[in-house]
Amino acid sequence: ETGVTQTPRHLVMGMTNKKSLKCEQHLGHNAMYWYKQSAKKPLELMFVYSLEERVENNSVPSRFSPECPNSSHLFLHLHTLQPEDSALYLCASSHVRGSLGNEQFFGPGTRLTVL
Amino acid sequence: RKEVEQDPGPFNVPEGATVAFNCTYSNSASQSFFWYRQDCRKEPKLLMSVYSSGNEDGRFTAQLNRASQYISLLIRDSKLSDSATYLCVVNPSGGSYIPTFGRGTSLIVHP
Repeated sequence: ETGVTQTPRHLVMGMTNKKSLKCEQHLGHNAMYWYKQSAKKPLELMFVYSLEERVENNSVPSRFSPECPNSSHLFLHLHTLQPEDSALYLCASSHVRGSLGNEQFFGPGTRLTVL
Repeated sequence: RKEVEQDPGPFNVPEGATVAFNCTYSNSASQSFFWYRQDCRKEPKLLMSVYSSGNEDGRFTAQLNRASQYISLLIRDSKLSDSATYLCVVNPSGGSYIPTFGRGTSLIVHP
């Protein structure tokens, strides 16, 4: 158990649906991350929150909308997705302490399929 | 030059073999380094941090070469269960906590 949980673990949705992915960390960390990993591709950083403030948004389409209500919870709201958005969505957390350490711990991911 | 580069492999080795991976990074001011392991369709898991003096954890040894800007991972006495993708991670300097992941090196250990 990594201390980072994600729900749901699997999600199938149509292009007109609205759904949300949830991530929760129990490690006392103060930074949380969303990554996308498509089949046989490297991790792509989507969003970073530190102390509940968004500090990085790697030009992600607006159909993905993150929310971080507190340092333990992170959401990714999805609407009008495309089939190419099908991927494994991974949440991670870390402790922010300057440039040292900062090991990330990942949740198990949500495997998303867009029909 | 990419920020973090790894040979994607796959490295195909027999059980019991010793195998080594390298990872090069472009930012000479990078401060911290890690190796992660990712099994197929699973999340990455921290394998070990890489310290300036090098560190060892059982069959795994990690080294940092700042002069040549690379880190390495050595696996001795490979097991079938070592088959996975090994990700190199570099944290930049200047207080940034946004790591850069390499594309990963695939290892296949066969009987």
